[in-house]
Amino acid sequence: AQKITQTQPGMFVQEKEAVTLDCTYDTSDPSYGLFWYKQPSSGEMIFLIYQGSYDQQNATEGRYSLNFQKARKSANLVISASQLGDSAMYFCAMRDNGSGGSNYKLTFGKGTLLTVNP
Amino acid sequence: NAGVMQNPRHLVRRRGQEARLRCSPMKGHSHVYWYRQLPEEGLKFMVYLQKENIIDESGMPKERFSAEFPKEGPSILRIQQVVRGDSAAYFCASSRETGEKLFFGSGTQLSVL
Repeated sequence: AQKITQTQPGMFVQEKEAVTLDCTYDTSDPSYGLFWYKQPSSGEMIFLIYQGSYDQQNATEGRYSLNFQKARKSANLVISASQLGDSAMYFCAMRDNGSGGSNYKLTFGKGTLLTVNP
Repeated sequence: NAGVMQNPRHLVRRRGQEARLRCSPMKGHSHVYWYRQLPEEGLKFMVYLQKENIIDESGMPKERFSAEFPKEGPSILRIQQVVRGDSAAYFCASSRETGEKLFFGSGTQLSVL
């Protein structure tokens, strides 16, 4: 069974500073994918970034980067130059990428509430 | 190119009534997934459907809950005889093929009085 742990219920950061949101995972699948989603107060789920377990380089998307440490089973999200609009809940999720399993099912963590202060 | 459309955005029901939640996937997507988010929790998988077929309903309660994705029209998540514990945000996602990236709708917030 897959499990995602986000140990930070809430985080605060000053505008324009960088922040790291922690995510650790547990799985027995050799091939898997890791996702981060943003959920603002309006409620929608916004995809931010994806990392495959066999990807050689850490994923980056604009101000978002994923610090993937496979041996430690961690996939932390780094947001650089925080903006007020980054205030939201952030969810880490994973999925089995193997061919013979539930490669469609995402397992989510409980989320981290990020507040960006002006 | 419209995204995943869910309606209604908010739904209020009294205990014992029925709730019907609708989801229209993105154009070209034939795979639909329903997730439930309880307060202060992450999303939890409920059911995976392709056109006219339920592929995996392992996350859906055995009683009172049902889902369909007909050949024509949106996917429907139906909750009969709602109870207060059904109050949650229900999200629909779609993908073009299984294993591809999921695109989420904005969710339906169900409140049971």
